[in-house]
Amino acid sequence: KAGVTQTPRYLIKTRGQQVTLSCSPISGHRSVSWYQQTPGQGLQFLFEYFSETQRNKGNFPGRFSGRQFSNSRSEMNVSTLELGDSALYLCASSLDGDTQYFGPGTRLTVL
Amino acid sequence: GENVEQHPSTLSVQEGDSAVIKCTYSDSASNYFPWYKQELGKGPQLIIDIRSNVGEKKDQRIAVTLNKTAKHFSLHITETQPEDSAVYFCAGPAAGGNNRLAFGKGNQVVVIP
Repeated sequence: KAGVTQTPRYLIKTRGQQVTLSCSPISGHRSVSWYQQTPGQGLQFLFEYFSETQRNKGNFPGRFSGRQFSNSRSEMNVSTLELGDSALYLCASSLDGDTQYFGPGTRLTVL
Repeated sequence: GENVEQHPSTLSVQEGDSAVIKCTYSDSASNYFPWYKQELGKGPQLIIDIRSNVGEKKDQRIAVTLNKTAKHFSLHITETQPEDSAVYFCAGPAAGGNNRLAFGKGNQVVVIP
């Protein structure tokens, strides 16, 4: 069974731009969670989608948004990028909401 | 805020020795505690997990113990090898419930050949 895939793997953007990241979960998994990972803050939870509905949300500003499609694939969007948004963005899929399997991440650099 | 704490931040061990990483949590209702290993340039990989109905679980050189009274759980790696060098994250219940995980800040384990 294929693992979690994320595209693109690397992105370079400038301040003020917006970006969309994509995640394909493990086949059969309906839960997709997104995390931001930075050296200082560790893994910070962004949001979770389950069956196309946002089920949980972390403490990030409204510039961070997401969605999930009927095939469970998920996207997250960050608008009006700031330098502090530079991070590794990780997606994790889950069958039941607790055992989570991570993708390789998307490394976003904001210049 | 999140309620999983992880100490120490860096652990160096000689190859062949054991490494132990401990995490504490505050929500006594929690029942699921996974450990992840993250190598450079990769996403975290689930290596072992434990549920609150057992006190210990082993998988080859890796074991996890859970002390519900003291609210801490530990990862034990025996006979460490260079490929065990990585960052290890524990996870537990996020503060406020809602059935999601909170992650510790991670421990860098360095195995010295």
